[in-house]
Parts: sequence; structure tokens; C-alpha cells
Amino acid sequence: DGGITQSPKYLFRKEGQNVTLSCEQNLNHDAMYWYRQDPGQGLRLIYYSQIVNDFQKGDIAEGYSVSREKKESFPLTVTSAQKNPTAFYLCASSIGYLTEAFFGQGTRLTVV
Amino acid sequence: AQSVTQLGSHVSVSEGALVLLRCNYSSSVPPYLFWYVQYPNQGLQLLLKYTSAATLVKGINGFEAEFKKSETSFHLTKPSAHMSDAAEYFCAVSGRNNNDMRFGAGTRLTVKP
Repeated sequence: DGGITQSPKYLFRKEGQNVTLSCEQNLNHDAMYWYRQDPGQGLRLIYYSQIVNDFQKGDIAEGYSVSREKKESFPLTVTSAQKNPTAFYLCASSIGYLTEAFFGQGTRLTVV
Repeated sequence: AQSVTQLGSHVSVSEGALVLLRCNYSSSVPPYLFWYVQYPNQGLQLLLKYTSAATLVKGINGFEAEFKKSETSFHLTKPSAHMSDAAEYFCAVSGRNNNDMRFGAGTRLTVKP
């Protein structure tokens, strides 16, 4: 079945450690996105990529980094510079612009 | 830049009652509008989308939404609520580039038996 896979579903890390969240899609979509979800704030865009080897910052990119070396993969690294990393992270993809986004099941990151 | 405002962070209805979730948008270009549903600890699933064709859009699970340009609204409705409709609902707007897709803060729908 085609879809987007995020792993792991739950992740615990100590404060000050970098952590990488995985996102893989087999939909052959060009565009991929990372959103952060906090209660009562909806989804906020962290980074997006419209094509392999290219990505742009979203609204809250500080403290995060991404790479897009393959069309199907768009990993997100939460660095120690991110002040409040505990959140639910959602990866999405789309065929291109003006089309709906397909979402993964999310990764809940807890930093202690 | 595009934006959406969802009126009401929490809506509660009785089973069988009308569901109305409100969304107003702001966009400098003709928008594409979307409604998504999210169940606890899961990703978002597309309910329906408006892409400048018919103003009344029908989606999955009996939901529909009407695009009203004069009111800059895209409210989501369902004639009769079911217990399985309990979830969080997000309105989203996209302009000429999908990277501009913006989400509302969400509305949590509770369905009482």
C-alpha cells in the first residue's frame, strides 16, 4: 500500500541531545513537509521540500534541520538549539502545489 | 499570505444533531481550501477540498462544505452527527504554492449519546 511512514511513533530523549525523526513515502510525491503540532495551535510548518536536494524554511525552522537526498525520504533533526522540542511532529507529502497533502501517523517526541 | 481562522476550539453536539464547524479564510489570491480530520495520536486525513469548481463540496463520511466568497467562509457541515465523528477538525488554505498551506488552530468535536 502506498503511504507515508513516520518512525518511531514515540521518542524520548534527554535535554541537549540531537534526535532524528524519519519520514518515508512511496507515493512518488515531489513535495514533502514537516509540521509541528502543539495543543491549541494547529499545525506550524517547520521545513518543506519541493524537489530532491532542495528545501526551504517554514515558519518555525530555528533549532531544526532537514535533508532531502532521496525523493522518498525527508528526515528531520531536532537539535539541542530547539528551546522547547516536546511536541507531536507530522510529516506530509503532496504531488505538487495546489494539491492536498497526505500525512503520516506522526511522531510524539518527549524531551526530559 | 493566506490564513484561516476557526471559530470555536471546541464544539459539542448530540448524536443525530447537525454538525457545523466554522472556518473563515484570508487570501490575496483565489484560495484552495481543505478540511482535514485527526483522530487521537494519528495523522490528518483529508475530508474534502475546494479548488474553484463547484462551491458546494461533498466529502467523505457525509461531510460537506460551502465556499462563500462574499463571506470569506468555508464552513463544514454534516446533517446528523455520529459518535464516530468525534475528532479534531482542521481547516487549511493554500495559495498558488502548496508551501503556503496554512492550518487553523483546530476544532475539537465531541458527540454526546
